[in-house]
Amino acid sequence: DQQVKQNSPSLSVQEGRISILNCDYTNSMFDYFLWYKKYPAEGPTFLISISSIKDKNEDGRFTVFLNKSAKHLSLHIVPSQPGDSAVYFCAVCTDKLIFGTGTRLQVFP
Amino acid sequence: NAGVTQTPKFQVLKTGQSMTLQCAQDMNHEYMSWYRQDPGMGLRLIHYSVGAGITDQGEVPNGYNVSRSTTEDFPLRLLSAAPSQTSVYFCASSYFGRGGYGYTFGSGTRLTVV
Repeated sequence: DQQVKQNSPSLSVQEGRISILNCDYTNSMFDYFLWYKKYPAEGPTFLISISSIKDKNEDGRFTVFLNKSAKHLSLHIVPSQPGDSAVYFCAVCTDKLIFGTGTRLQVFP
Repeated sequence: NAGVTQTPKFQVLKTGQSMTLQCAQDMNHEYMSWYRQDPGMGLRLIHYSVGAGITDQGEVPNGYNVSRSTTEDFPLRLLSAAPSQTSVYFCASSYFGRGGYGYTFGSGTRLTVV
């Protein structure tokens, strides 16, 4: 039973525009929500997180939004850059880290 | 360099063979875990450990064994490899309870079972 879902397997965005990656979860008791970025042949790297007591967290070009009533998480990247092209995983953390299926983002010039 | 080190990076096994994937971290993290990544499935948790001598099962533990005799090492054992275990395996570590700060991952082991 998938507890974390990323319904868009891929996304293509022009450089300079906004990228919006979405994630849905099932359990309202989750404490922390995270986004990871993964390049080919590398391990995932931590990007940004948000606690369940907040609804927004910003770090440079990256902003994560949390809508607890909808059990929905989103990552906004503004402006998008070609170097942002990677697979993005959302994850939830309780006593362990549970990942979504990932969204492949491609940023083209 | 500080971090999570996985060996080997690549491995080909025949069905029924056994092997151990090695994982070591030098950050004194209590928490370590193993994931496998498969197309369309994301990263799925195999086993995890909250400290030396303590291990527990994740989402997909069947066919894998682990042990945690030291804080630094968390090997993953395949006792009798099957083609369904063809995957990319990632080891991760973290200070336990620092859920908001994320985990550090190794660079992965690509395993093919023929």
